[in-house]
Amino acid sequence: DTGVSQNPRHKITKRGQNVTFRCDPISEHNRLYWYRQTLGQGPEFLTYFQNEAQLEKSRLLSDRFSAERPKGSFSTLEIQRTEQGDSAMYLCASSLVPVAEAFFGQGTRLTVV
Amino acid sequence: GQQLNQSPQSMFIQEGEDVSMNCTSSSIFNTWLWYKQDPGEGPVLLIALYKAGELTSNGRLTAQFGITRKDSFLNISASIPSDVGIYFCAGRDNNNDMRFGAGTRLTVKP
Repeated sequence: DTGVSQNPRHKITKRGQNVTFRCDPISEHNRLYWYRQTLGQGPEFLTYFQNEAQLEKSRLLSDRFSAERPKGSFSTLEIQRTEQGDSAMYLCASSLVPVAEAFFGQGTRLTVV
Repeated sequence: GQQLNQSPQSMFIQEGEDVSMNCTSSSIFNTWLWYKQDPGEGPVLLIALYKAGELTSNGRLTAQFGITRKDSFLNISASIPSDVGIYFCAGRDNNNDMRFGAGTRLTVKP
């Protein structure tokens, strides 16, 4: 399977703990996006990378959130000192710019208890 | 920021009926994308539209890129039970940013 891969699929953590999610994009895709989705809502943009450069960050991305894409391939999203409001589905997508089509992974569902 | 308004929020239809949903934006997009999402899964790309006025089909699905570049619609013909899910529109601008609507939840009654 050469689609976008996200790990883990599910994560339950206690409030205050740090969590890290991983996204492996489709091979050769130069653009990688992170989105957050809560129940009943569409995906909300968090940040995106063009190769290894992080080009935009949403205001939703507080100081507790950090994303990296060190070699322009896989990416990680870390949330420090998790809060209950961080509970959501975290989605990763990749595309080959300038082609507009972006493909999503299956997401990581985070539950903060 | 950009606002995408997707309507209707939900639809309940009988199997075999046609469905139409649309998306409008407060700003211009260069590309419109339509996705379908099943519970617990990531969105799956259905159709991509690249030019104003473009009409594109994918099986029973047809989507159009509005002339003003601020709207798009998606039609599903002869609905079947597996069409159930949430349909999202997404628009991309000059910066290649991608923003989503809130989704249309489709229920198909057999």
